[in-house]
Amino acid sequence: NAGVTQTPKFQVLKTGQSMTLQCAQDMNHEYMSWYRQDPGMGLRLIHYSVGAGITDQGEVPNGYNVSRSTTEDFPLRLLSAAPSQTSVYFCASSSSPGGGNTEAFFGQGTRLTVV
Amino acid sequence: RKEVEQDPGPFNVPEGATVAFNCTYSNSASQSFFWYRQDCRKEPKLLMSVYSSGNEDGRFTAQLNRASQYISLLIRDSKLSDSATYLCVVTLNKFYFGSGTKLNVKP
Repeated sequence: NAGVTQTPKFQVLKTGQSMTLQCAQDMNHEYMSWYRQDPGMGLRLIHYSVGAGITDQGEVPNGYNVSRSTTEDFPLRLLSAAPSQTSVYFCASSSSPGGGNTEAFFGQGTRLTVV
Repeated sequence: RKEVEQDPGPFNVPEGATVAFNCTYSNSASQSFFWYRQDCRKEPKLLMSVYSSGNEDGRFTAQLNRASQYISLLIRDSKLSDSATYLCVVTLNKFYFGSGTKLNVKP
């Protein structure tokens, strides 16, 4: 059972480089989201999507883009990496964040360092 | 104001102790409630859902008080393996995570 798969697990970027963090889920979930977690801090929502073709900004969207062309995939693009984007990035999916007590499933995270 | 507030801790307790974590949420329309556990450098994982009637899973008991907008988690007979950060989560069309409460269980 794959669940939520994130790639890569580790990445080092130089300032100004761009890259895409991949996230795929095989549970047919409509809701997908990206978070960043800095040392000793909680999860901060970057972007989220409630279905294919629909995305919205979270708490800290600047410097990141997303798209949702399929239900399964929700890639996160760093446009021009900055040291402030050094963090652990988590992708999560759920059938619905509303009623029904449906939990969020997380990927294993991508540890990104920008030098 | 944050959607979900938690005491960051850390809570340092001996093995066998009972420990309680609390969490408050700001929006009375919040729909679902959870406790997640996060081990160091790992992804968060669901510990248990929280219902108004209260629910128990072994040594863990969760309670929801909608009138006070308050969620609690009680851990009885703490084990070393319970050491982790516990995240309070509420939903209102998306997931809102608390910053987490760190628990250290000592021998």
